[in-house]
Amino acid sequence: NAGVTQTPKFRILKIGQSMTLQCAQDMNHNYMYWYRQDPGMGLKLIYYSVGAGITDKGEVPNGYNVSRSTTEDFPLRLELAAPSQTSVYFCASSIGQVRDQYFGPGTRLTVT
Amino acid sequence: GESVGLHLPTLSVQEGDNSIINCAYSNSASDYFIWYKQESGKGPQFIIDIRSNMDKRQGQRVTVLLNKTVKHLSLQIAATQPGDSAVYFCAGLYGQNFVFGPGTRLSVLP
Repeated sequence: NAGVTQTPKFRILKIGQSMTLQCAQDMNHNYMYWYRQDPGMGLKLIYYSVGAGITDKGEVPNGYNVSRSTTEDFPLRLELAAPSQTSVYFCASSIGQVRDQYFGPGTRLTVT
Repeated sequence: GESVGLHLPTLSVQEGDNSIINCAYSNSASDYFIWYKQESGKGPQFIIDIRSNMDKRQGQRVTVLLNKTVKHLSLQIAATQPGDSAVYFCAGLYGQNFVFGPGTRLSVLP
């Protein structure tokens, strides 16, 4: 199993540009999550999904959108990128809610 | 809202000694806590978890202690090794979401 994969690893965006961060898992997990991690800080939840077709907002959803058309994929869309969205983004999945999460390697995004 | 925090942002220990990393949480409503390890440039990796109906759980070289009276969680690493150098996060499940603490950077000295 590849586990949780994320692409790209790094990206530089100009203010106002848009992009999609890709996340895929091959463990048949129902739950998937997007977090952002700012320097020296813990992870903050952006969006999560409890299954295909179901998504919900986390703690910091503004400026982001998600979709979950399949169990495997959970892309995160940034519209009109802003410098405040400079961060490292982690995707994670878990088999259930009260279970440990498996994290991808992260995408380092810089908005200038 | 809920918060989960760590007492010390950095901790240095001698190789072979035991490490203790602490975490405090504000809301006793969480039923489940996890400790993660994050190495530089990588995603967090699960170490050990504990449910609120337990006060201690042991894994390989790691022990998690939960004190619900003072809302305190600790991670103990026995015989700390250079490969244990990383940032350690505690996280508590509140409702549907995990709330993460800011992390403690553990450095293992030779």
